[in-house]
Amino acid sequence: AQTVTQSQPEMSVQEAETVTLSCTYDTSESDYYLFWYKQPPSRQMILVIRQEAYKQQNATENRFSVNFQKAAKSFSLKISDSQLGDAAMYFCAYRSLNTGANSKLTFGKGITLSVRP
Amino acid sequence: SAVISQKPSRDICQRGTSLTIQCQVDSQVTMMFWYRQQPGQSLTLIATANQGSEATYESGFVIDKFPISRPNLTFSTLTVSNMSPEDSSIYLCSVEGQGYQETQYFGPGTRLLVL
Repeated sequence: AQTVTQSQPEMSVQEAETVTLSCTYDTSESDYYLFWYKQPPSRQMILVIRQEAYKQQNATENRFSVNFQKAAKSFSLKISDSQLGDAAMYFCAYRSLNTGANSKLTFGKGITLSVRP
Repeated sequence: SAVISQKPSRDICQRGTSLTIQCQVDSQVTMMFWYRQQPGQSLTLIATANQGSEATYESGFVIDKFPISRPNLTFSTLTVSNMSPEDSSIYLCSVEGQGYQETQYFGPGTRLLVL
């Protein structure tokens, strides 16, 4: 079974600065997907970024980028130019390449990010 | 991505009663999922809602406690039966479908408090 570990429960960043959120995972599969989701106080789960394991290029979405290290099974999220609206809980998630019932997401415990004005 | 709605958005219920949560999507989707998020915790998958067949439940979740329906490709319900305070959680549905690139999108969640 796959596991996802987010070892930092909380982090804080100054507005306009850069912060990196860590995530490691364990799997025996060679192809899979990795995600970062954001959950603000409204509790809505919002997709931040997505990475296919077979792609060597790191995914980017505006101010958000990942550092995907497949051999190390590491998948960190970098937020540049942090904004007050980035304050939220961030979850790292793993999805098998398989479809059907195996397409469930396995989540890490999450990290609470606060942004200081 | 999909537009997903859930009803109710929140509710306060008495122990021993049941609550049915609805999840509606604006387009046909292949997969629908139900997750539970207990206070201060991460998300845990309850079951995968299969259209036209029985839901597939994860270990620790049973149909008698969490019956699920999926009558068509845009709608699903989750019932939390015989509730106890331990069922107080946020319940989220998510969807994945053709064209979504194996990505799940979530509804806004239902916040349930059981007294």
